[in-house]
Amino acid sequence: NAGVTQTPKFQVLKTGQSMTLQCAQDMNHEYMSWYRQDPGMGLRLIHYSVGAGITDQGEVPNGYNVSRSTTEDFPLRLLSAAPSQTSVYFCASSKRDEQFFGPGTRLTVL
Amino acid sequence: GESVGLHLPTLSVQEGDNSIINCAYSNSASDYFIWYKQESGKGPQFIIDIRSNMDKRQGQRVTVLLNKTVKHLSLQIAATQPGDSAVYFCAENQGAQKLVFGQGTRLTINP
Repeated sequence: NAGVTQTPKFQVLKTGQSMTLQCAQDMNHEYMSWYRQDPGMGLRLIHYSVGAGITDQGEVPNGYNVSRSTTEDFPLRLLSAAPSQTSVYFCASSKRDEQFFGPGTRLTVL
Repeated sequence: GESVGLHLPTLSVQEGDNSIINCAYSNSASDYFIWYKQESGKGPQFIIDIRSNMDKRQGQRVTVLLNKTVKHLSLQIAATQPGDSAVYFCAENQGAQKLVFGQGTRLTINP
């Protein structure tokens, strides 16, 4: 199993650009989530999904969209990037209690 | 607002000593907590969890203690090794795998 994979590893955007962060898992997990981690901080939940076709907002959802068309994939879309969205983004998946995190995407918005 | 918080941002211990990392929470209804380890450049890694019907849970070289009276939990690492160097987070699982993280404690091991 590859576990949770994220692409790209690094990305630089200009203010106003849009992009999609990809997340995939091959463990047949029902739950998937997106978090952001700012320097010196813990992770904060952006959006999460409890199954294909079902998504909901977390603590900091503004400026981000998600969809869950398959069990395996959970992409995160930035509609119009802002410097405040500079952060490291982590995707996670779980079947029950233990969450597995991906390696992260480091995003810089200029 | 934040429902979990760590007491110290940094902790330095001698190799071979025991490490204790503390965390406080504010919601007395919280019933499920998880400790994560995050090494530089990587995602968080599950260490151990505990539910509110337990006071103590042990894993390999790690023990988590939960004191519901004072809303406090701690992670104890026995015989700390260089590979234990990382940032440690406590997190509350609020259901549907929604995690609320504390700010983290950076553990440094001195040789």
